[in-house]
Amino acid sequence: AQKITQTQPGMFVQEKEAVTLDCTYDTSDQSYGLFWYKQPSSGEMIFLIYQGSYDEQNATEGRYSLNFQKARKSANLVISASQLGDSAMYFCAMREANAGGTSYGKLTFGQGTILTVHP
Amino acid sequence: DSGVTQTPKHLITATGQRVTLRCSPRSGDLSVYWYQQSLDQGLQFLIQYYNGEERAKGNILERFSAQQFPDLHSELNLSSLELGDSALYFCASSVGAQVPTSGANVLTFGAGSRLTVL
Repeated sequence: AQKITQTQPGMFVQEKEAVTLDCTYDTSDQSYGLFWYKQPSSGEMIFLIYQGSYDEQNATEGRYSLNFQKARKSANLVISASQLGDSAMYFCAMREANAGGTSYGKLTFGQGTILTVHP
Repeated sequence: DSGVTQTPKHLITATGQRVTLRCSPRSGDLSVYWYQQSLDQGLQFLIQYYNGEERAKGNILERFSAQQFPDLHSELNLSSLELGDSALYFCASSVGAQVPTSGANVLTFGAGSRLTVL
C-alpha cells in the first residue's frame, strides 16, 4: 500500500526566509503523482503544486517549488521568500493507482506540517 | 472560491441522528470525492463517484452512504451518528475518473462541512 510521511509536525520560519517541508513516500509503482496542498486556518484545501513521477524537472509554481528526489522517494516543498500569509497546515499527497495500473484519481494524504511564519 | 460548493458549512446534531451533506462539483468536473478530516485520523478518503457511478471506496463506514445525481451533485448521508463522527467533511471534484496515475488531474476541494455531534 502507498504511504505518505511528513515527519515535521510543526515548522517555524522568519518572514522573507525560505523553508523546506519534508515529504517521503512509499510505493512500488513506477507511475505516480505527488501533490502539495495548503490548509489555512479557515479550513479550505488549496492546491499548490504537482509533480509526476516521470517528470524530469522539478515542478515550480511561483514561490513554490518541489524538490523531487525519486531515488530517495522524497518530494519536499520549498517555499521561498515566506510571507505571513503562508502560515498554514501543508499536506503532501500521492495519486493512488488501482489494481489495473491506472488511477481513479483519489489522493492519499500525509499527516501534515503546520508552518508558522514569524514577522 | 474554488468552484466546489458544499452545504451546510456547519452542522451541530445529536448522537443517533442522521444528516445529509451536499456537494456541487466545479463546472465541467465529472468526478466527486468525499474526504473526512479529523484530528486523530487526518484526511481519510471515503468514496468517489464518476458521472453517477461509484468508482472507488475507501474507509467509509456502513452507517455512511453517498450518491451522485444526474446533475452531478453529490450527497453524503451519515446515519446513527456517534461522537467520533465529528469532523470536517470535504468534497472535491476533478475532470476525469480513470487517469494516468502520474497525470495531474488535480482535485479541487470545497470549503468543507464541519459536523459536530453532541
